[in-house]
Parts: sequence; structure tokens; C-alpha cells
Amino acid sequence: DAKTTQPPSMDCAEGRAANLPCNHSTISGNEYVYWYRQIHSQGPQYIIHGLKNNETNEMASLIITEDRKSSTLILPHATLRDTAVYYCIVRGRMDSSYKLIFGSGTRLLVRP
Amino acid sequence: SAVISQKPSRDICQRGTSLTIQCQVDSQVTMMFWYRQQPGQSLTLIATANQGSEATYESGFVIDKFPISRPNLTFSTLTVSNMSPEDSSIYLCSVERSSGKTDTQYFGPGTRLTVL
Repeated sequence: DAKTTQPPSMDCAEGRAANLPCNHSTISGNEYVYWYRQIHSQGPQYIIHGLKNNETNEMASLIITEDRKSSTLILPHATLRDTAVYYCIVRGRMDSSYKLIFGSGTRLLVRP
Repeated sequence: SAVISQKPSRDICQRGTSLTIQCQVDSQVTMMFWYRQQPGQSLTLIATANQGSEATYESGFVIDKFPISRPNLTFSTLTVSNMSPEDSSIYLCSVERSSGKTDTQYFGPGTRLTVL
């Protein structure tokens, strides 16, 4: 079963920041938060992941609350090409099954 | 990251036949995975394939239906056997890469299968 809760859909205007929330209230101390996105039936694309500190790369920023029960993925300047389904996944570093359990994700629509 | 290719990219098959999907990665990896994505649904893990050992299947998936080979550290195949229309899905392979303290999975482009 998925360990995360995400809104089913969101939208934002092109050029504005897209803030995608994720709840993971049962996360354990050794579990990381991963974000992937899937653009129209292509293979999922890795975006970013983090444990407890905020993370930033060339694609996005990940903000994790101090209690680690929720996080927000930030696309600072959304473009039309960012329209996709975004998946928030929690997984342990040494999870013996190495499973990625995908939930339903958030369908982000970037409006012109 | 990882460069992953899959063949075929798509296929239309007749009921009762079998299709073998290939997954090739640009460098050696220990763990490869096969997922299924049914129309309008999220991804579901079929099995984990480690080189030199039999694949480990998830609940609801069996080797007779989805035999997997892993002959070396850069290649794997998934066969969808005795297909029915319910097998129409996108099939994706992924690989695990370690980067410092964490592991990340990277996905191939997928194989879109339609069974008539």
C-alpha cells in the first residue's frame, strides 16, 4: 500500500511556481522521500529525493517539514512541459525489497 | 542517472500469443525491475531481477505468466505469455543506481502492448 497522500490534481499558470504537497505521516526515521513525474505515458522521470534537509537541484526544490510528516515539491518557474503526473514515494535506504510503491500521484496542469 | 532502452517500443498482439520485451542499460547494474501500468492506472511492480538468481515476483504475478531472464548485468527480458486483452498495458523496466548514501531507480521509456 502506498504510504503517501497527494491531491489528485492541481493547476498553475506558466511561469509561476508550482507547489505540490505530499503527506507521509507514517514515515520512519530511515525512509527517504522521492519524487518522480510521468509525462503522458513515458517512463517515470526521477526528480529529487531527501531525508530531512531541504534539497534543490536543477529541476526542483524539495521542502520537508521538521517532523518529516509532509513535504512539498516546488517547480520554481513552471512551463507547459511540466504538465505531468507527479508521484511522491517514501522508501527506506536499505529496504530489502527495494520497492517503489506508486500511489495515484498528482496530475499537474500548467496553463498558458 | 542511467540510459535505458526498451524494445519494442510498442506492439499489437493477438490473444494467446507471447511477447518478449527487452531492456538494455548503458552500464552494469545489480538490480533491475519490471513494472506494469494498466490504462489509466499507476505503476505496479511485477518482479525484481538480479543477475545470477531467479526473479522475485510480487503478489499476483507468477513466473509462468511473466518469465524473466537476466543473463548479465546490463540486460533483462520480460515475456508476457499466453496474452489476453487484460494484459494490454505499458511495461517498464527500471534499474537501481547508488549515489553516495542513497539509491535511485531510473526508468526506461516503456513498451506499450495492445492485445486484441
